Amino acid sequence: NAGVTQTPKFRVLKTGQSMTLLCAQDMNHEYMYWYRQDPGMGLRLIHYSVGEGTTAKGEVPDGYNVSRLKKQNFLLGLESAAPSQTSVYFCASNDRGNTGELFFGEGSRLTVL
Amino acid sequence: GQQVMQIPQYQHVQEGEDFTTYCNSSTTLSNIQWYKQRPGGHPVFLIQLVKSGEVKKQKRLTFQFGEAKKNSSLHITATQTTDVGTYFCAGLDSGYSTLTFGKGTMLLVSP
Repeated sequence: NAGVTQTPKFRVLKTGQSMTLLCAQDMNHEYMYWYRQDPGMGLRLIHYSVGEGTTAKGEVPDGYNVSRLKKQNFLLGLESAAPSQTSVYFCASNDRGNTGELFFGEGSRLTVL
Repeated sequence: GQQVMQIPQYQHVQEGEDFTTYCNSSTTLSNIQWYKQRPGGHPVFLIQLVKSGEVKKQKRLTFQFGEAKKNSSLHITATQTTDVGTYFCAGLDSGYSTLTFGKGTMLLVSP
């Protein structure tokens, strides 16, 4: 049972390049989330999904897009990366939305030069 | 937007000393969760509090939810080096649909 798996774990991009982060969970969870973590800023919600085929904006959605084509996968895309998107990205999932324990992936460290 | 304030930002203690981190909201929270993140790791769920005035204990950790459901605290008795990490609270305001995380309290424990 792998839990929540994020790929890639590290990536370096140049400004303007695009990339996709993949989050996969094997716990059959309905809810999935993408957060970014910056020093001194805690965890900020980018986008989330309450079920297959649904997505919604979080606190800091600008510059990101997401898709949830399969229940177990939640993709985070950066169409044109900017240095301000240098961060550690965490995916999380749960089966009870806001009243349930969040299970986090190990994180993806993205650097945009 | 919803804001959850957490203090202190950082605390350095000697092993064996107690530690407390506080979480405050200007609005009433439906529930509050606490997470621990070890250096270089990912957040790991510790506990959820739902009821006004609720107190829960996990070994040396004591969690409280205020009577007005606007504040919460995590107290660690007799810290150990294994307690090192950043502790986050995450609260849900009834007017919002997602949890808001505090900025965390980084705990350093010296042996």
